[in-house]
Amino acid sequence: DTGVSQDPRHKITKRGQNVTFRCDPISEHNRLYWYRQTLGQGPEFLTYFQNEAQLEKSRLLSDRFSAERPKGSFSTLEIQRTEQGDSAMYLCASSLSKDPAGNTIYFGEGSWLTVV
Amino acid sequence: AQSVTQLGSHVSVSEGALVLLRCNYSSSVPPYLFWYVQYPNQGLQLLLKYTTGATLVKGINGFEAEFKKSETSFHLTKPSAHMSDAAEYFCAVTAGYSTLTFGKGTMLLVSP
Repeated sequence: DTGVSQDPRHKITKRGQNVTFRCDPISEHNRLYWYRQTLGQGPEFLTYFQNEAQLEKSRLLSDRFSAERPKGSFSTLEIQRTEQGDSAMYLCASSLSKDPAGNTIYFGEGSWLTVV
Repeated sequence: AQSVTQLGSHVSVSEGALVLLRCNYSSSVPPYLFWYVQYPNQGLQLLLKYTTGATLVKGINGFEAEFKKSETSFHLTKPSAHMSDAAEYFCAVTAGYSTLTFGKGTMLLVSP
């Protein structure tokens, strides 16, 4: 049983550098989500894809952030010119849009970003 | 618009005691409700969910939750706490096939 996979699990970067995270969803899932979680807070929605189409973006997703899902399978989240405020855990999740039991969203282990 | 309020950022119980974690939601349409658990430095694991039908739902690890529309609540309970239940718990709401909105979380502390 392969769940949602994220890479890398941890990343330390200097302020101003670019970072990229990769997410591989559960294989039959056509929806893919990115969330951000800071210490002491619940996850906050960033963006989601249905197949390769990016259907919704949060206003939290500044122009330094870009997400892609070119072939409707894996996705990447890139943060350009990182700032200390970007330090957080970035969670990827996936679901099946026609889930008869409701839109159950399954999360990966997360990618921790520390900007120094 | 949807929102979730989790009452109490920390809840402390003794091992063997009842666990009660409170969640109230706001939704303009009939909600789907979820509880997730997060262990340190890990992602979120689904505990249980309510979509339609029976309002008392049972999940993994002996947890259950009851959807009460009149009270806009979806509290999580477990009759007897175990040390391994110590973690952070998140309540979340979605309006059908849209994205999840999470509460701020409740840290459950279990003492021997």
